[in-house]
Amino acid sequence: EAEVAQSPRYKITEKSQAVAFWCDPISGHATLYWYRQILGQGPELLVQFQDESVVDDSQLPKDRFSAERLKGVDSTLKIQPAELGDSAMYLCASSRLTSGASTDTQYFGPGTRLTVL
Amino acid sequence: DAKTTQPNSMESNEEEPVHLPCNHSTISGTDYIHWYRQLPSQGPEYVIHGLTSNVNNRMASLAIAEDRKSSTLILHRATLRDAAVYYCILRRYGGSQGNLIFGKGTKLSVKP
Repeated sequence: EAEVAQSPRYKITEKSQAVAFWCDPISGHATLYWYRQILGQGPELLVQFQDESVVDDSQLPKDRFSAERLKGVDSTLKIQPAELGDSAMYLCASSRLTSGASTDTQYFGPGTRLTVL
Repeated sequence: DAKTTQPNSMESNEEEPVHLPCNHSTISGTDYIHWYRQLPSQGPEYVIHGLTSNVNNRMASLAIAEDRKSSTLILHRATLRDAAVYYCILRRYGGSQGNLIFGKGTKLSVKP
């Protein structure tokens, strides 16, 4: 069964350093999501792509976070500079249909656990 | 989006049925009820979804109240592997957003 791949699985960095996370969605999935999950809470959307275009980045802290999906396949999420409050799990998900499909299943990767010291 | 309310935690014994409740009193007629679960140290995974009628699949059953203001996820025989956080989420048909809006969910513990 196809899966969403993410790397690295764990990342430890110091405050003010740059970090990058990579996601490879399930082949053929048009929509890609990046979520952030703080310990003890549910995931929250950071950015949503439809192919290579950003559909929603209203919750992305754009002063330090950036995301791209240049060829409409894999995606990179970057934080520069990292802050202590960025420590969290960063989850990538993909879905087959276009945005707004209320019955479309999202498939999540295993996540990247970021610790900022 | 309409809000859901779930208990913070529940306990079950292995091989017994589990009923996980979800209240969604402000649900609209075009809101689908989705359930996802998150096993420890993993990303969430889809469990089941429905609109009005009860639904069954290989993982679970979803019972939806007649007025749709509440629903119950049923695990027929809990296993240790079912220990996870279960999220009840409403998604609007035809909505412009595809993202899932997660609450805190219900943490299910399964005792051997």
